[in-house]
Amino acid sequence: DARVTQTPRHKVTEMGQEVTMRCQPILGHNTVFWYRQTMMQGLELLAYFRNRAPLDDSGMPKDRFSAEMPDATLATLKIQPSEPRDSAVYFCASGLGTWKLFFGSGTQLSVL
Amino acid sequence: AQTVTQSQPEMSVQEAETVTLSCTYDTSENNYYLFWYKQPPSRQMILVIRQEAYKQQNATENRFSVNFQKAAKSFSLKISDSQLGDTAMYFCAFMRPPGGSNYKLTFGKGTLLTVNP
Repeated sequence: DARVTQTPRHKVTEMGQEVTMRCQPILGHNTVFWYRQTMMQGLELLAYFRNRAPLDDSGMPKDRFSAEMPDATLATLKIQPSEPRDSAVYFCASGLGTWKLFFGSGTQLSVL
Repeated sequence: AQTVTQSQPEMSVQEAETVTLSCTYDTSENNYYLFWYKQPPSRQMILVIRQEAYKQQNATENRFSVNFQKAAKSFSLKISDSQLGDTAMYFCAFMRPPGGSNYKLTFGKGTLLTVNP
């Protein structure tokens, strides 16, 4: 079965360190989303790409977060420098521009 | 901006009984999609059911059905014959028609459902 692959599954880091999370969308999918899940805020959209171009990153803190798609098979989300308030589960989802989105298993980030 | 509200942070139900999870949303759009997603402890986001706003008929998937009230902007999920495996966080979500720059899923805060044996 085709699926969205996210790595790493878990990440523990210290405050101030750079964190990179990776997402491999389903082959052929042209839309990619990054969501952040916390207990307080629930699921928030961070960024949205179509055909590798960022269409909406208004939910992303610009000073420390960056999202890119270096090619169609890889999406990255970087945090530099990381802070304890960034601790959350980060989800990637991909789709073909229809209502149906496929979610990865998420990266659980803990910043100490 | 669209908002999705789930007013029940937690609910519990006895196995084999029926439970209804509530969701309301706010939008000025006429055409859109509504979803219920399930997130078990494994963290995986699983689509439970989908409703297109232009369809008056309520969607049904086996033991899961919705009560879609467009004028009231209400979208509740009914789970019949609850099973232990239904224990999970349930998210209500809204999506504008795909294609535009505002194409995204907006989620409610979730309802934690526990099915008791």
